[in-house]
This record gives sequence, C-alpha cells and structure tokens, in this order.
Amino acid sequence: GEDVEQSLFLSVREGDSSVINCTYTDSSSTYLYWYKQEPGAGLQLLTYIFSNMDMKQDQRLTVLLNKKDKHLSLRIADTQTGDSAIYFCAETPGGSSASKIIFGSGTRLSIRP
Amino acid sequence: NAGVTQTPKFRILKIGQSMTLQCTQDMNHNYMYWYRQDPGMGLKLIYYSVGAGITDKGEVPNGYNVSRSTTEDFPLRLELAAPSQTSVYFCASMASGAGNEQFFGPGTRLTVL
Repeated sequence: GEDVEQSLFLSVREGDSSVINCTYTDSSSTYLYWYKQEPGAGLQLLTYIFSNMDMKQDQRLTVLLNKKDKHLSLRIADTQTGDSAIYFCAETPGGSSASKIIFGSGTRLSIRP
Repeated sequence: NAGVTQTPKFRILKIGQSMTLQCTQDMNHNYMYWYRQDPGMGLKLIYYSVGAGITDKGEVPNGYNVSRSTTEDFPLRLELAAPSQTSVYFCASMASGAGNEQFFGPGTRLTVL
C-alpha cells in the first residue's frame, strides 16, 4: 500500500539548521515533494525531487533522497521565524495512481529564539 | 489568475443539514481534489477528478458527493451533516501528468453541531 510517515513535531533554535524526515512505502514512487502550510492557509509546494535523484538544493533548502531505505529529508539552513509552519512530505505513487499525491501527517516546526 | 478559490471560508451546520462547498480553478487543470484536514492531522483525500465528467473516491468518501460538469468547478456536497465531518476542507488542482504541483485553495472551516 501507499503510506507516508513523518514525526509530528520539531523544535529548533533560530539560526540553526532544521532537518525534517519522512519515510514512504511505495518503491515505485516517481516524485517526492515537500509542501509548507502556514497557519490558516492551504499547502504550498516548497520543492520536489524526482526519484532518480539523490539530492536537490534550492537556496536554503536541501532535499536528500535515499531510495533504498525509502527515506526523504528536508534540511532548512539558517532557520528563521518565518519558517514556522507545518511541513508535509508527499509522494506520487507509480502506475495507475499517478494522478494522486499521498501526503504524510505533517511535521510542525517551531523556532526558539 | 486567481488560482484555486473556495467558498465559503467558514460555515456552521446543524446535524442533518446539507451544504455544498464550492471550488473553482482558473488554470485549466484537468485534475482536481478534495481533502479534509482534522485538527493536528494530515490530509485525507475525499474525492478526486481527472477531468470533466470523471470522479473517483479517495480514502474517506462516505458522507460526501461530488460532480465535475466543467473543467473549472468541482463542488463537494454534504447531504446529512454529522459532527464527524467537522474539519477544514481543502480543494486542490493540478495539471495532468506526474511531477506537477498541486495548487491548494485557502480552505473552508466547517463545524457541525
């Protein structure tokens, strides 16, 4: 089946790096995503990675994909108060389910001064 | 380009009442989705559509109905509201094909008393 798991909470000090982890079960996943949800808003795509890549960097964001372990991580460098949000890991399953995106439960990132 | 719009933003229903949540997108996307997000939880897919005239059930379709008569609109109908349907409802749309971004509406907060 298709499942995406994340830890629920992460607290980091302002200026430190945040690492949010995710595991998924579908070995035929084609794309993996990180979405951000700010309070009272819908989700917005932060970044995504194709399943044949190991790493993708986009300014302060680094995505690492370990396809063997089905593990995805999002690193946010120099975490700022504006990064406080819920971060959702998501995947596009392979095959006939390609029109769907499966979301994890989200990791709530809070920033300490 | 308004993206994905949802109405209403908030609604309180009594048990047994009916209502329709409206969703419209102006990006000419074939794929549209309805999710619910319970407090502190991730997204659960209610229904989705891969084009006008085509709809399919997601994880939690019971108690809901949808229709897709046009590319732009994807209304969600609650026939007999129950307290278990208290949630925030998000509509999303996506261009055809894997690896594309899902664009989310701002959500409808529904309370059933």
